Amino acid sequence: GNSVTQMEGPVTLSEEAFLTINCTYTATGYPSLFWYVQYPGEGLQLLLKATKADDKGSNKGFEATYRKETTSFHLEKGSVQVSDSAVYFCASEGNTGGFKTIFGAGTRLFVKA
Amino acid sequence: IAGITQAPTSQILAAGRRMTLRCTQDMRHNAMYWYRQDLGLGLRLIHYSNTAGTTGKGEVPDGYSVSRANTDDFPLTLASAVPSQTSVYFCASSDSGRGGNEQFFGPGTRLTVL
Repeated sequence: GNSVTQMEGPVTLSEEAFLTINCTYTATGYPSLFWYVQYPGEGLQLLLKATKADDKGSNKGFEATYRKETTSFHLEKGSVQVSDSAVYFCASEGNTGGFKTIFGAGTRLFVKA
Repeated sequence: IAGITQAPTSQILAAGRRMTLRCTQDMRHNAMYWYRQDLGLGLRLIHYSNTAGTTGKGEVPDGYSVSRANTDDFPLTLASAVPSQTSVYFCASSDSGRGGNEQFFGPGTRLTVL
């Protein structure tokens, strides 16, 4: 079945450091891919998405590229801020048998001033 | 109302009691979902509804039931709560029928079963 695997956390970085959170997926066909972010005490909210191979999603300085050849959708940001501290979830939406979304386990990011 | 609301915000419940978690959306989305979030396990789908009047089972449906009498409301019921149902519950909705749909999440309900 479909699955999403993302790197375990927590990830601790200093402000202005480079961030990478790895995400790989298994799926039938070509799913849409998402990164959601969860700030403390809140629900998840969409950060960015890509719906086909080689698409790049971007938002708030974060980027992720849909790599079909490596079945990956790694999240990157060139310079993190303290306000980026949150839990990040990679997700895959199947396009067969209904559009159900599979979430990764989440990666907690701490950014120190 | 803007987006998705959930009630209650938190609840402590004795084992064996019945509990209904409420979820309402005002975006006229066809699809709605209930997830539970547990540390290290991410979000797991409990039940979903692709449109009013229909429901389906997700990954972890046992011990839970849902109904979808109209587009806006999607309550989740625990018929007889057990401690393993202690979790944070999130309701979500999306405009189904097309790929690449964003899910919109409520603020969550923190449930503790003693």
